[in-house]
Amino acid sequence: NAGVTQTPKFQVLKTGQSMTLQCAQDMNHEYMSWYRQDPGMGLRLIHYSVGAGITDQGEVPNGYNVSRSTTEDFPLRLLSAAPSQTSVYFCASSYSMAGNTIYFGEGSWLTVV
Amino acid sequence: SQQGEEDPQALSIQEGENATMNCSYKTSINNLQWYRQNSGRGLVHLILIRSNEREKHSGRLRVTLDTSKKSSSLLITASRAADTASYFCATMDSNYQLIWGAGTKLIIKP
Repeated sequence: NAGVTQTPKFQVLKTGQSMTLQCAQDMNHEYMSWYRQDPGMGLRLIHYSVGAGITDQGEVPNGYNVSRSTTEDFPLRLLSAAPSQTSVYFCASSYSMAGNTIYFGEGSWLTVV
Repeated sequence: SQQGEEDPQALSIQEGENATMNCSYKTSINNLQWYRQNSGRGLVHLILIRSNEREKHSGRLRVTLDTSKKSSSLLITASRAADTASYFCATMDSNYQLIWGAGTKLIIKP
């Protein structure tokens, strides 16, 4: 049972480039989300999904796009990378939104130069 | 916006001692969760305490919740070197949105 798998682990981008962070879970969880973690701050929610075909914005959605075509996959797209998007990104999933244990991926370290 | 605020920001203790971390929040909650993050890794769920609960235990972990004071504490007893990590609280509001604190960095000295 792999849990939540994120790729890539590390990525360096130039300003203006686009890329996709991949996230997959094999626990049949309905709820998936993307967070960014910056030094000295808690996790901030970027986008989330309560099921296939349904996505919604979190606290800091600007500059990011998501889709949920299957229950398993929830990719995060950076449309035009900016230095302010340098961060550690975590994908997470849970059975539902309401009070269930959240399982996190190992993180993706992104640097935009 | 930061709902949960952990205190202290950093804590360094000797192996074998108890470690206590606190979390304060501002609005009413559905539940409060504690997570651990080892350096360079993802977060791992420790304990979830619901708003109608006052205390929960899991092994060497004890979590208390005081909704009147809007605060929670995480106690780790008989600390070990492997407990060195950052600890985060997250509060879930009535809309099922999780809001995270900035974390407490715990260092256990051998």
